[in-house]
Amino acid sequence: SQQGEEDPQALSIQEGENATMNCSYKTSINNLQWYRQNSGRGLVHLILIRSNEREKHSGRLRVTLDTSKKSSSLLITASRAADTASYFCATDARGAGSYQLTFGKGTKLSVIP
Amino acid sequence: DAGVIQSPRHEVTEMGQEVTLRCKPISGHDYLFWYRQTMMRGLELLIYFNNNVPIDDSGMPEDRFSAKMPNASFSTLKIQPSEPRDSAVYFCASTRRTGRTEAFFGQGTRLTVV
Repeated sequence: SQQGEEDPQALSIQEGENATMNCSYKTSINNLQWYRQNSGRGLVHLILIRSNEREKHSGRLRVTLDTSKKSSSLLITASRAADTASYFCATDARGAGSYQLTFGKGTKLSVIP
Repeated sequence: DAGVIQSPRHEVTEMGQEVTLRCKPISGHDYLFWYRQTMMRGLELLIYFNNNVPIDDSGMPEDRFSAKMPNASFSTLKIQPSEPRDSAVYFCASTRRTGRTEAFFGQGTRLTVV
């Protein structure tokens, strides 16, 4: 079953605006990662936040993690048309002797020039 | 490094035929994942290997699916016999140590079973 669930499923914004995507998960994790997928391509890693971290920045990306609520958010500031893509959260679930990287269904972001 | 390499990029086959998808992970990575992506179900983990050993294949949908990793630089996902509902994009990904580093994805194989 899917560990992470993103919302919204789709988001359309104007260039220059900020985009916020959320991810909820069910079990304890070691870390949470965000990936981007352009149409017809593979997934590309954006940022990783560990379970003992609350916030992380990378360029125009800001990720927060609330382990008490089992949720994370990805903020893209000053969006550009080139940010148009699907964004996925992935969780490394903490389990007995077995680690997996499971993905949500993603948020499809459209940035209108 | 050329990244994770998958072949073929596209595969069209008739129902009932055997399909073999191939993956070459990044050198030095000890975890390899096979995922299937569809509009309805999103990105599903099918199976993953650690040091060439299958660790969890609970995501493999049916006995028609099988995966092997004969050595650290090669893995295959086989579907026999294929069915139209197997149509999807299949991704292979590798990572040096899952949960600690990012996973690197191949470009995927788009499979169409007619």
